[in-house]
Amino acid sequence: GAVVSQHPSWVICKSGTSVKIECRSLDFQATTMFWYRQFPKQSLMLMATSNEGSKATYEQGVEKDKFLINHASLTLSTLTVTSAHPEDSSFYICSASTSGDTYEQYFGPGTRLTVT
Amino acid sequence: GENVEQHPSTLSVQEGDSAVIKCTYSDSASNYFPWYKQELGKGPQLIIDIRSNVGEKKDQRIAVTLNKTAKHFSLHITETQPEDSAVYFCAASYYGQNFVFGPGTRLSVLP
Repeated sequence: GAVVSQHPSWVICKSGTSVKIECRSLDFQATTMFWYRQFPKQSLMLMATSNEGSKATYEQGVEKDKFLINHASLTLSTLTVTSAHPEDSSFYICSASTSGDTYEQYFGPGTRLTVT
Repeated sequence: GENVEQHPSTLSVQEGDSAVIKCTYSDSASNYFPWYKQELGKGPQLIIDIRSNVGEKKDQRIAVTLNKTAKHFSLHITETQPEDSAVYFCAASYYGQNFVFGPGTRLSVLP
């Protein structure tokens, strides 16, 4: 149980275009979803936290107009990178958690974004 | 805010030996400490976690210890195998929110 999927697993886009990444909880309802960014050989950096039906809360330094997050249902959150530039190339990972006494976050497999 | 340090950054052990990775955190309010294993090109996988009301937890070859007073926790892997080779991340959290990750430890298990 507690499987999180991401789509696509990798994507290449041209500079100036937008790309959408989907994060789905397959067998549980995710009241909260998180989006992380990871550069090569570095740790995970939290970008934003989203609760179903609410606006996402962005970490300091993350441009909310560039990284649009939508958490429309208890099983789906999307991250849209708008007007992508080469410096946005990174590994994007989502995670999901449920309500209740569990503190665990279940991570997706990640999406490799390359902007040319 | 919370700050998590992790040592060592790289660790090489012979197959069958034990490996220990240590993390320290700064915020005494943190009460949940998971450990993740990340293989190349994949998302992190939870391998063990501990809450602040517990001092030690074990799951087969993996154990985690927590010292709340000193604000540090450690991952212990016994009888290491080549498939244990990966990057390991510790994290500190307050009730499952605001995860702060350590910088990671690259573990290599040499056959």
